[in-house]
Amino acid sequence: DAGVIQSPRHEVTEMGQEVTLRCKPISGHDYLFWYRQTMMRGLELLIYFNNNVPIDDSGMPEDRFSAKMPNASFSTLKIQPSEPRDSAVYFCASTRDRVGSYNEQFFGPGTRLTVL
Amino acid sequence: KQEVTQIPAALSVPEGENLVLNCSFTDSAIYNLQWFRQDPGKGLTSLLLIQSSQREQTSGRLNASLDKSSGRSTLYIAASQPGDSATYLCAAPNNNDMRFGAGTRLTVKP
Repeated sequence: DAGVIQSPRHEVTEMGQEVTLRCKPISGHDYLFWYRQTMMRGLELLIYFNNNVPIDDSGMPEDRFSAKMPNASFSTLKIQPSEPRDSAVYFCASTRDRVGSYNEQFFGPGTRLTVL
Repeated sequence: KQEVTQIPAALSVPEGENLVLNCSFTDSAIYNLQWFRQDPGKGLTSLLLIQSSQREQTSGRLNASLDKSSGRSTLYIAASQPGDSATYLCAAPNNNDMRFGAGTRLTVKP
């Protein structure tokens, strides 16, 4: 398996532009997580899905952020409009089942977003 | 809500030294705890997953222990090498998601 795939790896955009980050989880994994990592706040959970359904989006910072999972193999995280404080590395991760006894969480390589 | 703390924040050791990284968590009702490694500019790589029924887990020169009663886990690295230089994060479950510590940035000097 290729692991969790994210695109793009790097994104530089100007304030006010729409940004779309993409993720393909590991095949057969029912849970998908979006995280944001910054020096100041570390790794923060934004939202997670179970079987394509958003379960907890309490970590989404503002209405400018939205996430979708139209099918089991694809998810997007959208920021519209983007702001400089959104600059961070965004990670996608997946697990086979709920975060419990035997399930490791696997991470993608991340998307480094810079908003000018 | 689960909170995870890692000490120290940074550690620098000479090559060959054995070392211990510490992780503490507030909610001990956990099924497992996971240790990750993160290289600069890279994603997180899973190192070890310890089940609550286990006291420790080993992989090569790495050994992770879990003490639920005290809310602590340690990652022991034997005979450290410069290639071990990275940030090490621990993560504990919080309902159906994971909470991460801020990490320990390890530098192993040749």
